[in-house]
Order: sequence, then structure tokens, then C-alpha cells
Amino acid sequence: GAVVSQHPSWVICKSGTSVKIECRSLDFQATTMFWYRQFPKQSLMLMATSNEGSKATYEQGVEKDKFLINHASLTLSTLTVTSAHPEDSSFYICSAREALTGLYGYTFGSGTRLTVV
Amino acid sequence: SQKIEQNSEALNIQEGKTATLTCNYTNYSPAYLQWYRQDPGRGPVFLLLIRENEKEKRKERLKVTFDTTLKQSLFHITASQPADSATYLCAPLYSSASKIIFGSGTRLSIRP
Repeated sequence: GAVVSQHPSWVICKSGTSVKIECRSLDFQATTMFWYRQFPKQSLMLMATSNEGSKATYEQGVEKDKFLINHASLTLSTLTVTSAHPEDSSFYICSAREALTGLYGYTFGSGTRLTVV
Repeated sequence: SQKIEQNSEALNIQEGKTATLTCNYTNYSPAYLQWYRQDPGRGPVFLLLIRENEKEKRKERLKVTFDTTLKQSLFHITASQPADSATYLCAPLYSSASKIIFGSGTRLSIRP
């Protein structure tokens, strides 16, 4: 089945630094990828939709200059948290939709636990 | 704006019983409704999808119903097992190209 690999699985960084998270579709091409954030005991909140070769679409309230998304190829999207602060500490999850099988479920990565100290 | 509500934050069920989880939506009906399972510290895993024109869909011990009149989907796990303990999320899709907006989730615990 479709597999999405997310890296790193966890990262600790100092306040003010930037962190990049990668999301790769391993065995299929994903024209669209999605980035979510999840705080403890809460559901996933969609941050942005990443489209290959074009600008990402951000949800209301998400700062596009803080959360930079690049979808440079059909198998890779990256999320960069710029000038991270402790309130950015969260669980970040990506998902990808294969063009022909999107109706059969979207595939999610295993998530990245970001801790900003 | 569209709201998706799952009946309860947590549900505790005795092993062997049927667990029933509810997903309600407001306003317009989605074309599809997906259910996912999420374990702690992991990404969601797709379980089932039901279309607007389908009343019921089954997969092994899982059953999903979709009632557009009530604006509700029910997710059933029969013969529940402790391994079924997880958070279950419903996610309506308004087209095949939609982004997924998740419901609040229901944390299901199956006690032996």
C-alpha cells in the first residue's frame, strides 16, 4: 500500500532557530500533500495544502511566512518552521493523496514531534 | 461554517461488546465520509470510506452508516477487543479532491 515517510520523527531546537520537516511519498506520486498540527488531547488541525509546482494554500490563521512549505517534486514536500518559539512545540503530521486512489483514503506520515526550548 | 462533531470525547466499552461512535455534521452533506484510527504519537490510519448514496459499508468487524437526513454517520466495532483502543476520527470529504478537516475525535477504550 501507499507509504508516506516523514522525517525527523522528533526534533528539539532552540528558540529562534528554524526547523525543516520532510514528507515523502515512497511508492506513489502525490500532487497534493497536506500539513497538520496536533496539540495534546486535541484533533488534527489542517495548516496548509501543498501543491506540486505551485504555492501552498494556507488555512485561516496560519502564518505563511512562519510556516514555509515547498512542494518541489511529486514525492517531496517540506515544512520549515522559521524562528521557532516554544508555542510552536507540537506534533506535525503530513499526508498525501495519490491521484487515482484519493477516494480510498489519504495516507499519513508518522508525525514529527517538535519541541522548542 | 461547516462543523463536525463526534459524540463524546471518550468512550469506555467492555471487551466483546459493540462500540458505536457518532459523527454529526451541520449544513450541507459531504459527498464522502472517511473514518480513521489514530494511536498515540502516530499519524491517522484510514479505515473506511462511505459515499453519500450508500447507507452502509462493512469491513471485517467494522461497520459505517451514513444518514443524510440526520446528518450523521455511525461507526461500529463489533466484538470489540482491547487492541481496538485508540482515537477514532471522522472526516467528511466534499469532493474527491477535498482537503480533510477532521472531527474532534473519540478516544475509545476497551477494557478486558
